[in-house]
Amino acid sequence: EIVMTQSPATLSVSPGERATLSCRASQSVSSNLAWYQQKPGQAPRLLIYGASTRATGIPARFSGSGSGTEFTLTISSLQSEDFAVYYCQQYNNWLLAFGQGTRLEIK
Amino acid sequence: QVQLVQSGAEVKKPGASVKVSCKASGYTFTSYAMHWVRQAPGQRLEWMGWINAGNGNTKYSQKFQGRVTITRDTSASTAYMELSSLRSEDTAVYYCARWAAVATIGAELYYFDYWGQGTLVTVSS
Repeated sequence: EIVMTQSPATLSVSPGERATLSCRASQSVSSNLAWYQQKPGQAPRLLIYGASTRATGIPARFSGSGSGTEFTLTISSLQSEDFAVYYCQQYNNWLLAFGQGTRLEIK
Repeated sequence: QVQLVQSGAEVKKPGASVKVSCKASGYTFTSYAMHWVRQAPGQRLEWMGWINAGNGNTKYSQKFQGRVTITRDTSASTAYMELSSLRSEDTAVYYCARWAAVATIGAELYYFDYWGQGTLVTVSS
């Protein structure tokens, strides 16, 4: 099964600054990559699918890029509500896997 | 509106089985696949498997193969996840999630668009 590796594990950023989160797949997943945000005690929320398409209602400050094995989630100007854990997730050949998550914390 | 409502928290002894339900409403149940994802305390999301709610076909993560069974009852618009031979490491919140697809030029893109509220399963002697 494909293994997803996210980096860094924790990212400390000040409000208003840019955050860049990375996700690497152990083999190509084409553009079958989604990003989710999870806050404590809540189910994950879809941000990005198809590596770069924002989900309905997601602010434009969230953007995704990449294909194959290297992917990036960028949050252009962090708001207080953006501090959370972010997961990438791939889909390939009827199997799925999540990364271990990046915790985005206030600096 | 789409809703996925899961059954309540469970406490089980090691070696037992647990069956969690996920009742769907607000859409045609058989038109979407349903997945199960779990999250141990402070840990990552972990994909377990899925069921095509239309034809009942299933696919499981290799990690859970042989211990997990996902079924559905189309008359009740409900999906089920049963995990057997429970051990303490299975203590986690278990989520059901709807699998959506969108067609684009050259590919179909998939994602989880709705999630259940989660069911805490505690395994303890």
